[in-house]
Amino acid sequence: GAVVSQHPSRVICKSGTSVKIECRSLDFQATTMFWYRQFPKQSLMLMATSNEGSKATYEQGVEKDKFLINHASLTLSTLTVTSAHPEDSSFYICSATPLPGHSTDTQYFGPGTRLTVL
Amino acid sequence: DAKTTQPPSMDCAEGRAANLPCNHSTISGNEYVYWYRQIHSQGPQYIIHGLKNNETNEMASLIITEDRKSSTLILPHATLRDTAVYYCIVRVGGDSSYKLIFGSGTRLLVRP
Repeated sequence: GAVVSQHPSRVICKSGTSVKIECRSLDFQATTMFWYRQFPKQSLMLMATSNEGSKATYEQGVEKDKFLINHASLTLSTLTVTSAHPEDSSFYICSATPLPGHSTDTQYFGPGTRLTVL
Repeated sequence: DAKTTQPPSMDCAEGRAANLPCNHSTISGNEYVYWYRQIHSQGPQYIIHGLKNNETNEMASLIITEDRKSSTLILPHATLRDTAVYYCIVRVGGDSSYKLIFGSGTRLLVRP
């Protein structure tokens, strides 16, 4: 149980285009989803926290107009990288925590999406 | 910023126990210690977490010192598949709205 999926697993796009990444909790409902970014040979950096039906909370230094997050349901959150540039190339990883009463003390991570901007 | 300090790398022989240390000297009384690992180009995998008491599950054991300023993750019989980056994390925030701030982790190499 507690499986989180991401789609696509890899994406290559041209500079200036927008890219949408989906994060789904497959066998549980998630009250909160998180988005991380990881550059090569570096650790994960938390970008934002999203709760279903409300605006995401972004970490300091993360542009909310650049990285649009939508958490429309208890099983789906999307991250849209708008007007992507080569410096946005990274490994994007989401995670989710189950609803209260269902192991809320554990974050389950997706497999990640590798974005390459040409 | 991460509230943990870990050695950048360690190695151990296959079949032996791997003991991964972590310092978290500024941890608060209600903050949990979590361990995750990340195998190359994959999402992190949850291993174990604890508050005060030692914990054990099918993957590992977590030993937390009495003053809670450090902990050790123990993989009792390391295999080649345990080669990964191991992250020790202090959970920030309450039960319903917490964050995991990743530090640099320990790269564990299990040798044949």
